[in-house]
Amino acid sequence: EPEVTQTPSHQVTQMGQEVILRCVPISNHLYFYWYRQILGQKVEFLVSFYNNEISEKSEIFDDQFSVERPDGSNFTLKIRSTKLEDSAMYFCASNRDRFTYEQYFGPGTRLTVT
Amino acid sequence: DQQVKQNSPSLSVQEGRISILNCDYTNSMFDYFLWYKKYPAEGPTFLISISSIKDKNEDGRFTVFLNKSAKHLSLHIVPSQPGDSAVYFCAAWGSNYKLTFGKGTLLTVNP
Repeated sequence: EPEVTQTPSHQVTQMGQEVILRCVPISNHLYFYWYRQILGQKVEFLVSFYNNEISEKSEIFDDQFSVERPDGSNFTLKIRSTKLEDSAMYFCASNRDRFTYEQYFGPGTRLTVT
Repeated sequence: DQQVKQNSPSLSVQEGRISILNCDYTNSMFDYFLWYKKYPAEGPTFLISISSIKDKNEDGRFTVFLNKSAKHLSLHIVPSQPGDSAVYFCAAWGSNYKLTFGKGTLLTVNP
């Protein structure tokens, strides 16, 4: 069964450093998402991406964040200058089209900013 | 901005009994409501959904009930099994094409 994969599973970085979180969505899916979950909090939407551009972003997704689909398979989230409060679990998700409510999630990357 | 609320952070039930997980929402424009299940070190996995025009959807041991007038939905698991122990997220989907999640409820099913 196809699945969304994410690497790395755990990333530790120092405050102010740049990080790139990687995702490989399901191959025939067209919409891609990033969500995050701060420990003990709800899963929060960050951004959706379609046809090589951002469809929607939340207020959390400020200028420090960017997304890219550098090739036909990877979907990345970059945080330019990490802050302590960026420490969270980051989930990538995908679905076939924007009208399909069921999204398939990857296992997540735990980002720890020290 | 808590459009989707799960007020119980945890629930513990005995194997074989019914588990009832609750969720409230504030936005009446949501089109679908979903339940996701999450095990440690894994991403959320889709469990069951319900359209806003229905009041019940059943799939095996899992049934979701929707009360639109109360803006409330619940997930019933019967009979509960130890393998059902996980965090359950209520989520809503609407015209903005994104999922809005609750904080989750940790279900523990004791053998």
